[in-house]
Amino acid sequence: QVHLQQSGPGLVKPSQTLSLTCVISGDSVSSISATWTWIRQSPSRGLEWLGRTYYKSKWYNDYALSLKGRITIIPDASKNQFSLQLMSVTPQDTAVYYCARETDAFDFWGQGAMVTVSS
Amino acid sequence: DVQMTQSPSTLSASVGDRVTITCRASQSISGWLAWYQQKPGKAPNLLIYKASTLEGGVPSRFSGSGSGTEFTLTISSLQPDDFATYYCQQYSNYRTFGQGTKVEIK
Repeated sequence: QVHLQQSGPGLVKPSQTLSLTCVISGDSVSSISATWTWIRQSPSRGLEWLGRTYYKSKWYNDYALSLKGRITIIPDASKNQFSLQLMSVTPQDTAVYYCARETDAFDFWGQGAMVTVSS
Repeated sequence: DVQMTQSPSTLSASVGDRVTITCRASQSISGWLAWYQQKPGKAPNLLIYKASTLEGGVPSRFSGSGSGTEFTLTISSLQPDDFATYYCQQYSNYRTFGQGTKVEIK
């Protein structure tokens, strides 16, 4: 059974970088049949796909156009995890952040992490 | 971006009712559509993918249909555990979710 365990701070100051990590068990971040994704949810924006990382002979990343330039997703095969970095945050980035595995769809999710952007 | 529009936003129903939720895409997504159920404080749970394929372990009272731009999720006989919010999600072009349909007790 796949399990995704999220960690990271729950409070980030405006203009700083939001960083979250998702540790994978029961699968591999290097799997060629899965992609590893970050999604967030807020009352104002609903569920919003942020981006993904995946391995097919080399590492690839795709990011939501609305976040390009601010977002980086970093795989770490040695620790079997992937991380989200979102730079220059504002209060509009306040949300519950989820990591998820995508095969046919998002079939396994992390437990979610509430991140508040506030001074 | 492909926009996903669900209707209704809220649905009041009773145990045993047949319930149908509609999801429309702003452009054709073929059959690249998934449905999720979410309960308060929990992550979404995958119900259906490729528009009509039931995820393992999901009760057979859930079914999905459609292709192109119009899709439906049907619950054939609503059970107490089914009161939740349901989301559609396309994966034809990047990934986008509908705004959700809350199924509440009538």
